[in-house]
Amino acid sequence: EAGVAQSPRYKIIEKRQSVAFWCNPISGHATLYWYQQILGQGPKLLIQFQNNGVVDDSQLPKDRFSAERLKGVDSTLKIQPAKLEDSAVYLCASSLDGDRVVDTQYFGPGTRLTVL
Amino acid sequence: GQSLEQPSEVTAVEGAIVQINCTYQTSGFYGLSWYQQHDGGAPTFLSYNALDGLEETGRFSSFLSRSDSYGYLLLQELQMKDSASYFCAVRAVGGNFNKFYFGSGTKLNVKP
Repeated sequence: EAGVAQSPRYKIIEKRQSVAFWCNPISGHATLYWYQQILGQGPKLLIQFQNNGVVDDSQLPKDRFSAERLKGVDSTLKIQPAKLEDSAVYLCASSLDGDRVVDTQYFGPGTRLTVL
Repeated sequence: GQSLEQPSEVTAVEGAIVQINCTYQTSGFYGLSWYQQHDGGAPTFLSYNALDGLEETGRFSSFLSRSDSYGYLLLQELQMKDSASYFCAVRAVGGNFNKFYFGSGTKLNVKP
C-alpha cells in the first residue's frame, strides 16, 4: 500500500512570507496528524484530525498557523507569516483510528522548512 | 503537564545489547510507544506497551512499568543499521480523544 505522501520536500522562504504544506494520508486512515520537529528534538504535535474534524489543536500557534482537512482525506498546513523559529521539519502522519486501543501512526517523509 | 526524559546519546558496539530508558510524567497515561528515526528520515513505529511487562519483536523488545512511570527499549545483536535516533512517545487520554507526546530522542551510535 502507498505510504503517507507530503509535498514539497524542501522549502526555503524569507521571514514574513507565507508557506503551505500538503499531505495525503494512507487510504482509509481516519486520523491525520501534523507534527513540527525542530532539529535535535522530538516531534511536537500541532494538530490532529479525525476525518475532517479537529480533535486537538492545543499546541498550534493559531495566530500564524492554520490547517484544514476539508474532505476528510488530504490536508494542508499553512504558516502566515513565517518566523525564523518556524524552521523545522513538518511531519504528517496518519493512522486507522486514533481512538483505538492500539493504533500505529505512519509518518510521511516530511517537509524541511528553512526561514531566512 | 506532560514530560518525558530519555538519554540524549548512547554508544555501543556491533553485536552488543543496548537499553534506552524513558521516564515520563503524564496525566491520563494510556500507553508508551517507541519510534526509530534515521537521519533525514521519517519516524517509524517499533513497539507499543499499554500493559506492564515485556513485548518482544525480533531483535527489539520494549518494557513498561506503569507504577514506576518507566519504560525501556532493548536492542539486541546490534547492527550498524541500528544507528539512528529513538523516541519514546506517550499516549494519553485528553478530553474526548487521545493525545501524543514525544520525548526528545536518544541518538544511538553503533560502532564496529
